[in-house]
Amino acid sequence: SSELTQDPAVSVALGQTVRITCQGDSLRSYFPSWYQQKPGQAPIVVLYGKNKRPSGIPDRFSGSRSGNTASLTITGAQAEDEADYYCNCRDSIGNHPFYVFGTGTKVTVL
Amino acid sequence: QMQLQESGPGRVKPSETLSLRCTVSGDSIRTYSWSWIRQPPGKGLEWIGNIDYNGNTNDNPSLKSRVTMSLDTSKNQFSLNLNSVTAADTAIYYCARFQSLQQLGRPNWFGPWGQGTLVTVSS
Repeated sequence: SSELTQDPAVSVALGQTVRITCQGDSLRSYFPSWYQQKPGQAPIVVLYGKNKRPSGIPDRFSGSRSGNTASLTITGAQAEDEADYYCNCRDSIGNHPFYVFGTGTKVTVL
Repeated sequence: QMQLQESGPGRVKPSETLSLRCTVSGDSIRTYSWSWIRQPPGKGLEWIGNIDYNGNTNDNPSLKSRVTMSLDTSKNQFSLNLNSVTAADTAIYYCARFQSLQQLGRPNWFGPWGQGTLVTVSS
């Protein structure tokens, strides 16, 4: 299956830790990337590969992958982390690659 | 710093072709691969397709070959055509740079992104 499933919503108290999960068969073979999207804005990449953060992304964002599940963890969540988060992963049909986004998780910081 | 900007009509009639351009500044489009991604209002993200610096393309099988992409290196732009549109194609359309590493697990990511442009399919 080429679907990536995420919990629709999670909440976290300010300064606490939250884990966002992404499930799909393609994660057994390929690394995911993770995107943060705030209302009215384009997404930005926050994590890719084996726990790589682009320049400017705080180190409170980290990732892991095991079997068919990948996780994005925010350690010490801040108010500005409130956003929608999407995973993305490569898949393929024969030699034809394509890329699938997860269903998205809305993170609320309390 | 690289920037991307989408442009094109905000409204397209059903059964017609949606055409968008993405103008890249800050680097040459001949250096990277590029992507189109869309988001229906209030919904999630959907990858449309990629085009590399040689003009090779691959697109989402769910769009059933309705997608055409091209490069215009003289204008540092790349383009999307989506034919036979319906109301289901109403979305914010984003362009983005695509990067992929040739290593185990094939890490890849989209970024930076343009600000997006809303295209409404309506008569």
